[in-house]
Amino acid sequence: GDSVTQMEGPVTLSEEAFLTINCTYTATGYPSLFWYVQYPGEGLQLLLKATKADDKGSNKGFEATYRKETTSFHLEKGSVQVSDSAVYFCALREKSSGDKLTFGTGTRLAVRP
Amino acid sequence: GAGVSQSPRYKVAKRGQDVALRCDPISGHVSLFWYQQALGQGPEFLTYFQNEAQLDKSGLPSDRFFAERPEGSVSTLKIQRTQQEDSAVYLCASSLGGGDQPQHFGDGTRLSIL
Repeated sequence: GDSVTQMEGPVTLSEEAFLTINCTYTATGYPSLFWYVQYPGEGLQLLLKATKADDKGSNKGFEATYRKETTSFHLEKGSVQVSDSAVYFCALREKSSGDKLTFGTGTRLAVRP
Repeated sequence: GAGVSQSPRYKVAKRGQDVALRCDPISGHVSLFWYQQALGQGPEFLTYFQNEAQLDKSGLPSDRFFAERPEGSVSTLKIQRTQQEDSAVYLCASSLGGGDQPQHFGDGTRLSIL
């Protein structure tokens, strides 16, 4: 079945450091890929998405590129801020399986001032 | 505007009791999803509605779990004869349509079974 594997957290960085959170996936078909974020005390919200190979999703300084050859969708940000502290979830939607999302286990990011 | 609203925020029940969890989606959103999130894990799909039609219930873990959306708006997830392994956060999400439309999540109901 479909699955998403994320790097384990927590990830602790100093402000202005470079961030990478790794995400790889397994899917039978050709999925769409997403990053969702959960800030403290808030619900999950969509951060960015990519729907086909080589697409780059971007939002709020975060980027992720859909790499079909390595089945990856790593999240990056050049300079993190304290306000980026949150839990980040990688997810996929297998088009042949309808509209449901399959999530990874989440990676907690803590940014120190 | 109003987001997805779930109630109650917290529910404590004794093993064997029935519980009902409510979800008010964003007005006009056609699609509604239920997910279960265990501690330290990502959300796992339970079931999906398009308007009042339940199109996918493949994620419901047993026949003790039942969901409905009779008028295509508010949805209720019911768990009968609760077990300790049902303890989790239950998330509801809605989206304007299908496909890759963003799913908007509520804050969840934290269910604890004693």
